[in-house]
Amino acid sequence: QVQLVESGGGVVQPGRSLRLSCEVSGFNFRDYGMHWVRQAPGKGLEWVALITYDGGKEFYADSVKGRFIISRDNSRNTVSLQMSGLRAEDTAVYYCAKDLAAGGIDYWGLGTLVTVSS
Amino acid sequence: QSALTQPPSVSAAAGQKVTISCSGSSSNIGDHYGNTYVCWYQQLPGAAPKLLIYGNDKRPSGIPDRFSGSKSGTSATLGVTGVQTGDEAYYYCGAWDTSLNGVIFGGGTKLTVL
Repeated sequence: QVQLVESGGGVVQPGRSLRLSCEVSGFNFRDYGMHWVRQAPGKGLEWVALITYDGGKEFYADSVKGRFIISRDNSRNTVSLQMSGLRAEDTAVYYCAKDLAAGGIDYWGLGTLVTVSS
Repeated sequence: QSALTQPPSVSAAAGQKVTISCSGSSSNIGDHYGNTYVCWYQQLPGAAPKLLIYGNDKRPSGIPDRFSGSKSGTSATLGVTGVQTGDEAYYYCGAWDTSLNGVIFGGGTKLTVL
């Protein structure tokens, strides 16, 4: 079955960097785009980034543009999110998710918590 | 990034029907070229979101037909018939926005079963 497992979350000071990873299995990874979506404590879903199936295009939310970079390794079935210049408002559970096309998401990981605090 | 508009909460007695609205614009739900589709997600307490409806009105395998989706103009609606206590959750609509070049979600609606 489809599995997405995030890792790399933790507590980080404002202004520092953190790298999240997501290992996937159960589908042909190289055929699908991948998203990162986050959810601040007690808040709704916020889309963060999308990378196309071949890594050829990346799309970002305005709130993270210029600070976050999404990447993928199709040989290792992994997608990553490099986060820099972290702010308190970046505190959230970060979900890795599989693209369904046209903006849809059909599978989600369990999420990894990132806390930005001094 | 502006969110799609959903009511913060809805409620219904067990066994009744409830609908949740999702309002957008011509750059997302109401895209003139038909390049965007609405999805609905269910998030149970303490869990990750789960796809309920895709392509405006299609149900993934395993989703009961008590759940339905529709779209008209710049709005979409999720319907739940025969509401059960296990349906108590947050429900989010989502769609691609052609102006923002990204996914946009609604603020979420909490369904309470009375």
